Amino acid sequence: DAMVIQNPRYQVTQFGKPVTLSCSQTLNHNVMYWYQQKSSQAPKLLFHYYDKDFNNEADTPDNFQSRRPNTSFCFLDIRSPGLGDAAMYLCATSRDYPVGDNEQFFGPGTRLTVL
Amino acid sequence: AQSVAQPEDQVNVAEGNPLTVKCTYSVSGNPYLFWYVQYPNRGLQFLLKYITGDNLVKGSYGFEAEFNKSQTSFHLKKPSALVSDSALYFCAVRDMNNNAGNMLTFGGGTRLMVKP
Repeated sequence: DAMVIQNPRYQVTQFGKPVTLSCSQTLNHNVMYWYQQKSSQAPKLLFHYYDKDFNNEADTPDNFQSRRPNTSFCFLDIRSPGLGDAAMYLCATSRDYPVGDNEQFFGPGTRLTVL
Repeated sequence: AQSVAQPEDQVNVAEGNPLTVKCTYSVSGNPYLFWYVQYPNRGLQFLLKYITGDNLVKGSYGFEAEFNKSQTSFHLKKPSALVSDSALYFCAVRDMNNNAGNMLTFGGGTRLMVKP
C-alpha cells in the first residue's frame, strides 16, 4: 500500500546529542513536510520541500535542519536537542501545490524524548 | 492571513447520540477546508475536505461536515457516535488565493470523548 513511513516510531536522545528522524513515502508526491506537535496541540509546520526546493518557516529554529536526497526520502536533523524539543514529529506529503485539492497525507509520527 | 478556531477543547457525547465538533475559519479569499482525526500516538488521518460545490461534504467513517460561508464555519458532524470515534480532531484551512504553497493552518484541536 502506498503510504508515508516514519522511522523510528520512538526515539530517545540525550540533551545536546544530534538526532535524525526519517520519513519515506511511496506516493511519489512532490511535497514533503515536517511538523512538530506538542501535547495534543495543533501541528506546527517547521519546513517543507517542493521537490528539491527547501522552504523554511520563519520561526523554525536553526537547530532544525532537513535533507531530501531523493523524491522518496526526507530527514529531519536536530543538531543539539534541548528539553523543549521533546515532541511528536510528523512527516506529511502532498501531491502538489498551490492549486488543487491536495490533502496532506501524514505518517504515524516519531515521538522524541530528550533526557 | 488565514486562521482557524476550534472553540471547544473537548466535546463529550454518549454513544448513539449525534455529535458536532465546531470549526470557524478566516481567510481573505475562498477556503479549502479539511478535517483530520488523530488517535493516540498516531499521525493525522484525513477525514474529509471542502473544495467547492455542495456545502454538505461526506467523508470517512460516517462523518460529514457542512460549509457555511455566511458564518465562516465548517462544523464536523456524525448522526450516531461510536466509542471508537473518541480521538483528537483538527480542522484546517488553506486560502485558495494563497500561492505561497499548500500551507495548511490547523485549529487547536478538539478532543472528542464518546461514552458508552
